[in-house]
Amino acid sequence: AQSVTQPDIHITVSEGASLELRCNYSYGATPYLFWYVQSPGQGLQLLLKYFSGDTLVQGIKGFEAEFKRSQSSFNLRKPSVHWSDAAEYFCAVGFSNDMRFGAGTRLTVKP
Amino acid sequence: ETGVTQTPRHLVMGMTNKKSLKCEQHLGHNAMYWYKQSAKKPLELMFVYSLEERVENNSVPSRFSPECPNSSHLFLHLHTLQPEDSALYLCASSRGLAGVDTQYFGPGTRLTVL
Repeated sequence: AQSVTQPDIHITVSEGASLELRCNYSYGATPYLFWYVQSPGQGLQLLLKYFSGDTLVQGIKGFEAEFKRSQSSFNLRKPSVHWSDAAEYFCAVGFSNDMRFGAGTRLTVKP
Repeated sequence: ETGVTQTPRHLVMGMTNKKSLKCEQHLGHNAMYWYKQSAKKPLELMFVYSLEERVENNSVPSRFSPECPNSSHLFLHLHTLQPEDSALYLCASSRGLAGVDTQYFGPGTRLTVL
C-alpha cells in the first residue's frame, strides 16, 4: 500500500543551525515527490518537487531535498535555519490523480 | 498570495445543521480538491474535480457532498455531521493532475461540530 512516513513529529533547532527533515515513502511506481510548508493559519505552499533528473533538488527559501531511490527517501535540508522557518512541513508523494501526504513535522526555531 | 480563497474561515455547527464551504480559485486551473486536515494525521484527499467532473471520491461519507459548478468554484455541502468531522478543511487547485502538478492551497475553513 502507498504510504508516506515522516518519523519526526516535532523538531527544535537553534536559529542558524542546520536542518534535516526526514521522509520515507512506499509506492508501487516511482512517484512525484513534494515538500510543502504550512505556516500557522495558512494553507500549504510548495517548497520543491522531484520527478526525474538530478537527485538533489533546489527549492524556495533556501531549502533543498535529496532523492535516494535505494532508501525510498526524500529528505529536506537547509544549511542555516531562520526564525521565519518555524512552521509545519509535509512530505507528499503523487502519481496521476493520487496524492498522499505524511503526517507532518512541526519545526520550532529557538533564538 | 496563493490565489485560492475559502469562506468561511471558521464555522461552528450542530450535528443537525446544514452548511456549505466555498472555495474559489483565481489561477485559471483545471483541477480542484478538498482535503481534510486533522491533528496528528496526514492530510486526507477527499474529492478531486478535473474540468468540473468528479474523478476521485476517496471513500468519504455521504454527509459530505461536493459541488463544482465551474472550474473556478468548488463547494462542500455538509449535513448531519459528527463531532469527529471537526477539522481544518483545505481547498486546493492545480493546472494538471493532483499527483503531478503543484497544488495551490487556500487558508482553510476551521470546522467545529458540536
